[in-house]
Amino acid sequence: DTAVSQTPKYLVTQMGNDKSIKCEQNLGHDTMYWYKQDSKKFLKIMFSYNNKELIINETVPNRFSPKSPDKAHLNLHINSLELGDSAVYFCASSQELAGKWGDTQYFGPGTRLTVL
Amino acid sequence: DQQVKQNSPSLSVQEGRISILNCDYTNSMFDYFLWYKKYPAEGPTFLISISSIKDKNEDGRFTVFLNKSAKHLSLHIVPSQPGDSAVYFCAGVMDSSYKLIFGSGTRLLVRP
Repeated sequence: DTAVSQTPKYLVTQMGNDKSIKCEQNLGHDTMYWYKQDSKKFLKIMFSYNNKELIINETVPNRFSPKSPDKAHLNLHINSLELGDSAVYFCASSQELAGKWGDTQYFGPGTRLTVL
Repeated sequence: DQQVKQNSPSLSVQEGRISILNCDYTNSMFDYFLWYKKYPAEGPTFLISISSIKDKNEDGRFTVFLNKSAKHLSLHIVPSQPGDSAVYFCAGVMDSSYKLIFGSGTRLLVRP
């Protein structure tokens, strides 16, 4: 029984396309996140939602739009894909907002996006 | 601006010996530090954390040390096991920012 799941695991697409990555958590957590792991291997926060409310929106192009239909889901839509969007995208969840007592985040397995 | 730095991209140790993974940070406002472990094709998993008001936290074979004056923390694994081979990420978090700031990771290889 997977705690945080993402689909698809791999995504290969052409420049200019629009794609979505789905994330679901069955931990009953209130907070969900999207991270991007770039070519230098840094994991960088993109967005976080708490109870379906956007909390963090880092300096991310507005081609990236998160959608949270409910507390258990946080999907990532990417419009007009560019070569530089190629990366591994991780979804995560935690009970509280990160920072509160160093709350642990649980990560999904990642989605490797390749833009050709 | 890398607030959390892991300057050693890789480390190789013999099984049974101690593994020491290092992490430096520049932001003195971090309230907590966390270590995550990542196997290939999986997401990072939480390993151990330490509050900025502590200087040591231990959990089984894993101990994290924090030196605030040096803005340095380290993860000790004793004894190291082949199953510990993974990438280890250090992260800092401020209570007010609600986000983890990760280092670039150190790949640990424990040789049988």
